[in-house]
Amino acid sequence: AQTVTQSQPEMSVQEAETVTLSCTYDTSESNYYLFWYKQPPSRQMILVIRQEAYKQQNATENRFSVNFQKAAKSFSLKISDSQLGDTAMYFCAFMKITGANSKLTFGKGITLSVRP
Amino acid sequence: KAGVTQTPRYLIKTRGQQVTLSCSPISGHRSVSWYQQTPGQGLQFLFEYFSETQRNKGNFPGRFSGRQFSNSRSEMNVSTLELGDSALYLCASSLVIGEQYFGPGTRLTVT
Repeated sequence: AQTVTQSQPEMSVQEAETVTLSCTYDTSESNYYLFWYKQPPSRQMILVIRQEAYKQQNATENRFSVNFQKAAKSFSLKISDSQLGDTAMYFCAFMKITGANSKLTFGKGITLSVRP
Repeated sequence: KAGVTQTPRYLIKTRGQQVTLSCSPISGHRSVSWYQQTPGQGLQFLFEYFSETQRNKGNFPGRFSGRQFSNSRSEMNVSTLELGDSALYLCASSLVIGEQYFGPGTRLTVT
């Protein structure tokens, strides 16, 4: 079974600064996806970024980038130029790639607060 | 294209009752997954349906069941409700493996 660990329950960052959210995972699979999802107070789960394990290049989406260390099973999210709208819970998630499987395994989440 | 919709958005039920939640996926998406979110347990996978067949199931009691219709809309049912079933129930649809788009959720309160 896969596990996803987010050890920091809360973080705070000043607007316009950079923050890094940590995530580690455990799996025996060699091929999988990793995700960061954002859940603002509206509770709508929004995909922030996705990384395919077979790709060595770290994924980036505008102000969001990841540091994917496959050997260390680490997948951190860096948010640059933090904005007030980034205030939300962030979940790290894992999905193994099989023929027929869309199950996401989530970490416990981290509450990020962006201070004005 | 319209996103994933879930109805109702809020629901209050009494212990022992049953409840049915509905999820309409994005047009063209054939896979629908359900998740339960609680403060204590976090986000947990309930089950996934694809082309009207359950192809993956999480570790939940048999009181939790679901189905999918030919138009890909899905329902989940919880029978004999318990206080611990109070949660946000999220539905997600996907077209291809590796992409899941979530609905706004149904907030269920069991009293």
